[in-house]
Amino acid sequence: AQSVTQLGSHVSVSEGALVLLRCNYSSSVPPYLFWYVQYPNQGLQLLLKYTSAATLVKGINGFEAEFKKSETSFHLTKPSAHMRDAAEYFCAVILDTGRRALTFGSGTRLQVQP
Amino acid sequence: ETGVTQSPTHLIKTRGQQVTLRCSSQSGHNTVSWYQQALGQGPQFIFQYYREEENGRGNFPPRFSGLQFPNYSSELNVNALELDDSALYLCASSLASTSGYGYTFGSGTRLTVV
Repeated sequence: AQSVTQLGSHVSVSEGALVLLRCNYSSSVPPYLFWYVQYPNQGLQLLLKYTSAATLVKGINGFEAEFKKSETSFHLTKPSAHMRDAAEYFCAVILDTGRRALTFGSGTRLQVQP
Repeated sequence: ETGVTQSPTHLIKTRGQQVTLRCSSQSGHNTVSWYQQALGQGPQFIFQYYREEENGRGNFPPRFSGLQFPNYSSELNVNALELDDSALYLCASSLASTSGYGYTFGSGTRLTVV
């Protein structure tokens, strides 16, 4: 069963436009949720994480995400896209806090047009 | 504070061979996890090591094995390489005692099996 679903494998926005990357999770228990960014030929960098504190989470580089339990969603947003935001974005969840393994979505490639 | 270091950065092996990938964890971290990222996909959890023992494993066959050393560095060994093992292998370190689930990823080792 898919634990994390990222809607849209590719998203293209204009520079200065709103960025919205979608993530839905399936879990019967409160999850821990993460967004990571991956630039070409690099590892993963943590943008932000939700660990059952405030539902609106602010991260680095102007990104934020809102945990909505009723919608089982954790969408990533940024008010104004910049060229340097072009990268692959991964939503991830920890379902088993004992094992602490991350389960990743399939990723969304963000393109930013000038 | 040093980050996570992986070696080598790139590797080409022949089907049937064995390979060892190495990871130095971030200073102060005592847990190491390994992930496989096939081209165009999200990372998949292979296993995790804490106190030199495997304490969690994903859906990978036994020919994927690992070690953690007293200094918390780690190795990933893959025997009898198959073409489908071609991927980016990511190492992530964390501190098991924290509740914040702060994982730091390395830049990865790109393995190509021919």
